[in-house]
Amino acid sequence: GAVVSQHPSWVICKSGTSVKIECRSLDFQATTMFWYRQFPKQSLMLMATSNEGSKATYEQGVEKDKFLINHASLTLSTLTVTSAHPEDSSFYICSARRIAGDYNEQFFGPGTRLTVL
Amino acid sequence: AQTVTQSQPEMSVQEAETVTLSCTYDTSESNYYLFWYKQPPSRQMILVIRQEAYKQQNATENRFSVNFQKAAKSFSLKISDSQLGDTAMYFCALRVYGGSQGNLIFGKGTKLSVKP
Repeated sequence: GAVVSQHPSWVICKSGTSVKIECRSLDFQATTMFWYRQFPKQSLMLMATSNEGSKATYEQGVEKDKFLINHASLTLSTLTVTSAHPEDSSFYICSARRIAGDYNEQFFGPGTRLTVL
Repeated sequence: AQTVTQSQPEMSVQEAETVTLSCTYDTSESNYYLFWYKQPPSRQMILVIRQEAYKQQNATENRFSVNFQKAAKSFSLKISDSQLGDTAMYFCALRVYGGSQGNLIFGKGTKLSVKP
């Protein structure tokens, strides 16, 4: 099956610093990638949708200047949390959509746990 | 707008028994997919089963089956012969065909505990 990786799997940073999270589709090309945020014991909340070579589309309430998304290639998308603060601590999950016939299946990465001190 | 509602925050079942998780949804679109995802303690999202709305036949994957009632906008998941490894959060999700509406809309989840 298709595999999506995320790096790092967990990161601890100081308040005010920036953190970059990578999402890679390892064995397929993904024209569309999604970034989700999940707080403890809650559901996944879509933050943004990114298409290769174009600007990301952010969901309402998500600060695009704080959560920078780059989808530079068909296998790589990055999420940069700029000037991170403790309230940004969360579990971030990426997902990549593979085009296969009539159905574009979506695969999830293992997630990245961000802790901001 | 699309919504997905899971009314059971937590459920438990004895090993080898059968359990049914409920999900209702709302959409004005006629073409869409419905999904059940499993999120074990590792937090890796795993697709359990998928149903195309145009198909009347209920999807089945081994011990997992759905009861899709399109008119009632209901999409329940039945897990037969429950196993300890089924312990996880289960999310019901809706995806409308194509374009900007092609995002997954998740319910709040049901925490399932399988007891030995």
